[in-house]
Amino acid sequence: GENVEQHPSTLSVQEGDSAVIKCTYSDSASNYFPWYKQELGKRPQLIIDIRSNVGEKKDQRIAVTLNKTAKHFSLHITETQPEDSAVYFCAASILDTGRRALTFGSGTRLQVQP
Amino acid sequence: NAGVTQTPKFQVLKTGQSMTLQCAQDMNHEYMSWYRQDPGMGLRLIHYSVGAGITDQGEVPNGYNVSRSTTEDFPLRLLSAAPSQTSVYFCASSSQASGHYEQYFGPGTRLTVT
Repeated sequence: GENVEQHPSTLSVQEGDSAVIKCTYSDSASNYFPWYKQELGKRPQLIIDIRSNVGEKKDQRIAVTLNKTAKHFSLHITETQPEDSAVYFCAASILDTGRRALTFGSGTRLQVQP
Repeated sequence: NAGVTQTPKFQVLKTGQSMTLQCAQDMNHEYMSWYRQDPGMGLRLIHYSVGAGITDQGEVPNGYNVSRSTTEDFPLRLLSAAPSQTSVYFCASSSQASGHYEQYFGPGTRLTVT
């Protein structure tokens, strides 16, 4: 089955700096890669996603890049703010089957220091 | 819309007891799933359903049963609780329509088995 590895496990940045979180996946059939943000005690919430036919996607301060050949994808947050502090999870899925199961990475705890 | 709702929010069980975690969604989503989240780990898929009357196993199904008699509801049953099932349980739902990939998570149930 699919295996998703995520690095780093913790990341501390100064407010205004950029943060990058990286994930690799094992199943070349995976074609959907969402990123979730989870605040303490809350549910995961989708912040951005990318399909395998696209190399990069941006939404304001957040961007995701995908390298299908190397089977890795990354989350980039620019101009970080204290409210960006949370745990971020990457995930991979195969959309073209009914299963749509998400395989998650182990998470990155991002702390933005004011 | 209430989105995805889960009850109870918290539950303490003794080893060997059984219980049902409830999940409901009002978005007419075909796909529903259950994940568990253990400390320091990503979410892992327990069971999923692609429509009423259809269920299948995920990555960690042992000790859990599900059924899907209606589109709206997807309860998760713990048959004989064990301390290893102490975790936070999230239900999620998603449309199967093309172009709609986001999985929406419920608020979670925090279960402790003593």
